[in-house]
Amino acid sequence: AAGVIQSPRHLIKEKRETATLKCYPIPRHDTVYWYQQGPGQDPQFLISFYEKMQSDKGSIPDRFSAQQFSDYHSELNMSSLELGDSALYFCASSLGRLQETQYFGPGTRLLVL
Amino acid sequence: DAKTTQPPSMDCAEGRAANLPCNHSTISGNEYVYWYRQIHSQGPQYIIHGLKNNETNEMASLIITEDRKSSTLILPHATLRDTAVYYCIVRSRNAGGTSYGKLTFGQGTILTVHP
Repeated sequence: AAGVIQSPRHLIKEKRETATLKCYPIPRHDTVYWYQQGPGQDPQFLISFYEKMQSDKGSIPDRFSAQQFSDYHSELNMSSLELGDSALYFCASSLGRLQETQYFGPGTRLLVL
Repeated sequence: DAKTTQPPSMDCAEGRAANLPCNHSTISGNEYVYWYRQIHSQGPQYIIHGLKNNETNEMASLIITEDRKSSTLILPHATLRDTAVYYCIVRSRNAGGTSYGKLTFGQGTILTVHP
């Protein structure tokens, strides 16, 4: 079965640079969630979208923004990168924002130097 | 969403059943219990979920106590590939809640399966 696709899988950036992470949900899924997992930490919710509208917002820095497009894929834009942004970024998708199970992608590992 | 409490670590012999407990004493009536696992930096993998009845699928069984204040995830025949961090998550699935479907990951249980 098709799974959530994330790209790139690995990304190295310098401080103050920008990064864009992409998430392609499972076909027919209309809801996307973004999570951040720092080294040795548990995943933390950042933001979610349902039917191309922001659905919920967690502890996402103002330097980050995200959107969901008409084909339901989502992009997480990160500007003015800091060393502390180095983490795994996971995207998950579901059919509907409340009723259905979330399925996670393999993640993007971001390293900020 | 209700808070969950899990033991930080557990060991299990290969081929034996692994029983992972979770306490969620403040769970409310519209909250489900979800279990995910994460194998070394991979994306969290959905295992099973339930509301009040026991559930079973090809991966595991979920036993929820009658008062819903605790649950146990059972891996019937653990293998080395089941070594992972297991997360018990309580999640509201009703509109009007504060979570709108997001998952709140707690500490989790590190399960180590030994040969």
